[in-house]
Amino acid sequence: SQTIHQWPATLVQPVGSPLSLECTVEGTSNPNLYWYRQAAGRGLQLLFYSVGIGQISSEVPQNLSASRPQDRQFILSSKKLLLSDSGFYLCAWSLLTSGRRETQYFGPGTRLLVL
Amino acid sequence: QKEVEQDPGPLSVPEGAIVSLNCTYSNSAFQYFMWYRQYSRKGPELLMYTYSSGNKEDGRFTAQVDKSSKYISLFIRDSQPSDSATYLCAMKGALGGAQKLVFGQGTRLTINP
Repeated sequence: SQTIHQWPATLVQPVGSPLSLECTVEGTSNPNLYWYRQAAGRGLQLLFYSVGIGQISSEVPQNLSASRPQDRQFILSSKKLLLSDSGFYLCAWSLLTSGRRETQYFGPGTRLLVL
Repeated sequence: QKEVEQDPGPLSVPEGAIVSLNCTYSNSAFQYFMWYRQYSRKGPELLMYTYSSGNKEDGRFTAQVDKSSKYISLFIRDSQPSDSATYLCAMKGALGGAQKLVFGQGTRLTINP
């Protein structure tokens, strides 16, 4: 079966510091990968998605970047964090199966607090 | 206007009650509809997945889709305290390699013993 890991689980960082969040998926090959941010009491905002190694699409202009160095690894980064980067970051994976039935499965999330 | 509207609640009901959660959407291209349950400080987990208009039942949960009205619902029968969570509706169109989901804001539900 497939599992998705995220780390760290919680992170407190000062404004202006760099960021690196990691997501890995086990038990599947060539998944689509996604980064979402969830602000307190709000829905999920799609930040980036990737359909393959080195292929990154950005949904919203922001202070963050994403990379996919390996098939099942997705990294979210920032060179200098802003207060507004605080939130709950979720990684998700999906597979495009026959008939276009495809859904996304989420990791446990990383709670980021920028002070 | 948001593509997907969902009442954020909070919604509080007694144990054993029938719960109705709803979302409306504006984009007629949406073909696939999902409900996710998210416990506090956890990632969302897929609860229901539907495609066609009509009802889909899974245990105490029933998902209902009305494409003509652009309205989807999730019903929970015999609600339990363990059902207390935030429920997110999500939907997507049929095209696109990455199949991007559009989420509602989420409804926070509390089941009181």
